[in-house]
Amino acid sequence: LAKTTQPISMDSYEGQEVNITCSHNNIATNDYITWYQQFPSQGPRFIIQGYKTKVTNEVASLFIPADRKSSTLSLPRVSLSDTAVYYCLVGDNQAGTALIFGKGTTLSVSS
Amino acid sequence: GAVVSQHPSRVICKSGTSVKIECRSLDFQATTMFWYRQFPKQSLMLMATSNEGSKATYEQGVEKDKFLINHASLTLSTLTVTSAHPEDSSFYICSPKGQGANYGYTFGSGTRLTVV
Repeated sequence: LAKTTQPISMDSYEGQEVNITCSHNNIATNDYITWYQQFPSQGPRFIIQGYKTKVTNEVASLFIPADRKSSTLSLPRVSLSDTAVYYCLVGDNQAGTALIFGKGTTLSVSS
Repeated sequence: GAVVSQHPSRVICKSGTSVKIECRSLDFQATTMFWYRQFPKQSLMLMATSNEGSKATYEQGVEKDKFLINHASLTLSTLTVTSAHPEDSSFYICSPKGQGANYGYTFGSGTRLTVV
């Protein structure tokens, strides 16, 4: 069973900020939260990873509350090319067990 | 870092034949390899896990005699779909993992298998 729950789909317009929230109520102490992006017929691509609080990189921000039971991926000023499926995953890099994918969130960006 | 090469990107084969998919970790040693498959409009489903030099562990419902996994080296793993049938048509994705917390989870670019 997937460890995470996300909205199935979201719609947005170019230039808007998109926030995708993920629930992971049973996250373990050693688990990190990682978000991936997948385009059709391509493998998942790493976006951002965090353990707690806020992480920001050149493409996104990740907000993680103190209880770590949820996280929010924030995509600033989306463009048409951000249309993709976004997966939130929790996993222990040290233990190296397989990532179990949930259904992901299909983001559709329109002009 | 963490460069993964998966080949072929797409393959069409006749029913009853076998197809080999290669996955290479180019700049790190993959002590563990995960293989996933993805059907249209569905999420990735874990098929099997292999550790270098050991037999693979298959998920429930995945036939080990049909999906042969070889992980003989730390930089190469192969998945062979034997006696392929149209229902094996899918998108196969490898995910090599280095040992330890410094190595995150990486994914290959995927192989689109079509069995006709």
